[in-house]
Amino acid sequence: GAGVSQSPSNKVTEKGKDVELRCDPISGHTALYWYRQSLGQGLEFLIYFQGNSAPDKSGLPSDRFSAERTGGSVSTLTIQRTQQEDSAVYLCASSPRLAGGDTLAKNIQYFGAGTRLSVL
Amino acid sequence: QKEVEQDPGPLSVPEGAIVSLNCTYSNSAFQYFMWYRQYSRKGPELLMYTYSSGNKEDGRFTAQVDKSSKYISLFIRDSQPSDSATYLCAMIDRGSTLGRLYFGRGTQLTVWP
Repeated sequence: GAGVSQSPSNKVTEKGKDVELRCDPISGHTALYWYRQSLGQGLEFLIYFQGNSAPDKSGLPSDRFSAERTGGSVSTLTIQRTQQEDSAVYLCASSPRLAGGDTLAKNIQYFGAGTRLSVL
Repeated sequence: QKEVEQDPGPLSVPEGAIVSLNCTYSNSAFQYFMWYRQYSRKGPELLMYTYSSGNKEDGRFTAQVDKSSKYISLFIRDSQPSDSATYLCAMIDRGSTLGRLYFGRGTQLTVWP
């Protein structure tokens, strides 16, 4: 089946512009995560959606960052007034998070290829 | 100090060598341990996962966890040029209800023929 799909694969923008990054998770996966990977750094957690619950936004670095998930499927990460330090690869992951599933095998995260954002 | 420390390398070895990749962590609540492999311009893919202290083997790969030392390792035997990638360790907090992953910085590995 299809994996996690992210678009665009590359985005170049000017400082101060807004950008929208899209994630299409694996069908049927209830959990969706956004991470940021800066050059030479590990993945940094940004936000998490689980079903219809309120998202966990604890990782968002500033109020310029926001995300939504429509219909429990596709998610959009929006960065307003982009800054040069926002340049990074933005990765989306989805997970089955099956009901009552507290074992790791049911909660494996599957990643998309990412959106490489460059802010000039 | 980051919760998960990983030497970024780069590490360069000849084909056939045994590779050892390591991470240390500070949070004793970490219970689940994973290794992801990331090829250039691709997303990370899960290589191995384990819950407990000890060794877990899968083909040429062995994951080792020492909870008393807060130290995990990934060994690659008979390394191949196709193993050239960045290897990321990742962990989940025992008490986490959201399964958020805590990642190391990744170690860049090159296996030359």
